[in-house]
Amino acid sequence: QSVLTQPPSASGTPGQTVTVSCSGSRSNIGSNYVYWYQQVQGTAPKLLMYNNDQRPLGVPDRFSGSKSGTSASLAISGLRSEDEADYYCAARDDGLSGVIFGGGTKLTVL
Amino acid sequence: QVLLQESGPRLMKASETLSLTCTVSGDSMKHYYWSWIRQSPGRGLQWIGYIFDSGSTAYNPTTYNPSLKSRVTISVDTSKSLLSLSLKSVTAADTAFYYCARGADFWSYWGQGTLVTVSS
Repeated sequence: QSVLTQPPSASGTPGQTVTVSCSGSRSNIGSNYVYWYQQVQGTAPKLLMYNNDQRPLGVPDRFSGSKSGTSASLAISGLRSEDEADYYCAARDDGLSGVIFGGGTKLTVL
Repeated sequence: QVLLQESGPRLMKASETLSLTCTVSGDSMKHYYWSWIRQSPGRGLQWIGYIFDSGSTAYNPTTYNPSLKSRVTISVDTSKSLLSLSLKSVTAADTAFYYCARGADFWSYWGQGTLVTVSS
């Protein structure tokens, strides 16, 4: 039902690099910034990336974001056990005049 | 540090009106956007709407998710550092964690969330 499409799950071993994709359309990702949130079970989402590729203070540089056309990606390098969480992409949608979310990707660190 | 704390009823019956408040501390609410977002297992994260606190009670523009617009009202009381959400005629589909957050398009500060369950 989400307008932004994410894979439901991803996994990797410690130290690996994992990429989470987010696909949208011209009215959202194609014409607006993309944001990423990390949500550890039982807690509120935490802003991980804003304006496509900008990290808020305190977010490690192991996290990086990119956008191309109507898709975006979040890459996590040097995977650590504490990275195990749900990751959501979000973007403003011009038709909605508000923000839409992806369905979330559950990252498992093996 | 900006802190947000939601409060309100945890259990409701269908057709009632949900009223939640969010207490903001650590900074003024003035000149910021404030949002409500909800999260349910079946519908994921959903933006509900936001309000801009202009510092004037006469002008605090709001924008709502079109799918909820007919039932939602968001308001702000700067003097009390309170953000409010009203959602009319709730159904089981409105069962969710409700979060308040600072911002319009993205949110650096979130409340811890409050679970609202609607029973039929």
